[in-house]
Formats: sequence, structure tokens, C-alpha cells
Amino acid sequence: EAGVTQFPSHSVIEKGQTVTLRCDPISGHDNLYWYRRVMGKEIKFLLHFVKESKQDESGMPNNRFLAERTGGTYSTLKVQPAELEDSGVYFCASSQDFVGSGGSGGTDTQYFGPGTRLTVL
Amino acid sequence: GIQVEQSPPDLILQEGANSTLRCNFSDSVNNLQWFHQNPWGQLINLFYIPSGTKQNGRLSATTVATERYSLLYISSSQTTDSGVYFCAGTVYKLSFGAGTTVTVRA
Repeated sequence: EAGVTQFPSHSVIEKGQTVTLRCDPISGHDNLYWYRRVMGKEIKFLLHFVKESKQDESGMPNNRFLAERTGGTYSTLKVQPAELEDSGVYFCASSQDFVGSGGSGGTDTQYFGPGTRLTVL
Repeated sequence: GIQVEQSPPDLILQEGANSTLRCNFSDSVNNLQWFHQNPWGQLINLFYIPSGTKQNGRLSATTVATERYSLLYISSSQTTDSGVYFCAGTVYKLSFGAGTTVTVRA
């Protein structure tokens, strides 16, 4: 079974440009999450999709960030325009169920992709 | 969200040594996961352990949910164990600790 995949693995852009990150979750996982780790800080939650719907986007830092999951399969995270402080590693994760949904036996375990390292110059 | 505190922040081990990493939570969590971030930056799932004890090879983990902490044990450490270890708890979304950087020297 393929794991969570992310593309690109590394992106270097200039301040003011636009970048789009992609995440393909594990097949059959309705729940998709975005996290990021900016330099020297902890990994922080950005948002959570259940299928194509945004369940929780409370972690999105500002309106320069736009996440979509059309069709409930892969997701994209667009940063427009990128700023220096957006540099960091963006992780995507997926799970079969989410906590509180009634799943059990670890079906809410989140599996992470390898991350996309974003560098804004 | 909940606060997650990991200790120690850094750990240097001689190959073959044993160690314990700790994770404290500010509130009860429904889900708790331990991850190992390898030198390539990938987050590898180690354990899903909301309570009790689990073992996987040289690694084992114990979570005492009532006291809001979890422990990760590394026995007979190897150089491949080097990297950053994160714990993360979920009430709804994962809240990560700052990580413990483990360096195992040959």
C-alpha cells in the first residue's frame, strides 16, 4: 500500500511568488491534514479535510494560504504571495477516521508524508 | 490547543545504551502518537498509543493517560536511531511537542 506522497520535495521561490504544494493521501483515507514546521518552531496544525470539506481550518495563518481538495482525493496548498516567514517544511497527513468520529483500534492514526521543504528568498 | 512538553530536548548516547524520552500533556488526549523524523526529514510513525504499553523491536512506549504523560524507551541504541523524536496528542487535531534530538555515536 502506498503511503502519503507529497510534491514537490523541495521548492525555492522568491518573495512575492506563488507556490502550490500537492498531497496525495493514502487511498481510502477520507481525512487529510496539513501541518507545517517553520524554522526552530514546533510542528503546527494548519487544517483538516474530511473528504472535500474543510472540517477545521483554524490553523491557517492568514489569507495568503488556500487549501483545496476537489473530489476528496488529493489536496493542494497554495501560498500567494509567499513571504519570507513562510519558509519551512509542510507536512501532509491522512487518516481513515478522525478522533471523535467513532473509529476505534487506531483508525484515527495519522500517517505523514515526507514533507515539502519550502524556501522563500 | 493542548500544550505538549518533551524532555530532554537533546540526548547524546553511546551505541548500545538505553534511554527514555518523556512527553507531558497539559490536558487529556484521545490519541497519542510517537514519531521519528529521520535525517531526510520524513516523519515515521512509531506508535499509536493512547494508553498502555506497546513494544516494537528495540522500541517500546508506555502512556499513562490518567497522569497525562507518555514514555518512549530505546534499548540497545544504534546509530540509525539518531534523529528527532516527536510525540503528538490529539483531542481533535495533533498537537506536537518540540521534539527530542537523539544522537547515537558509534
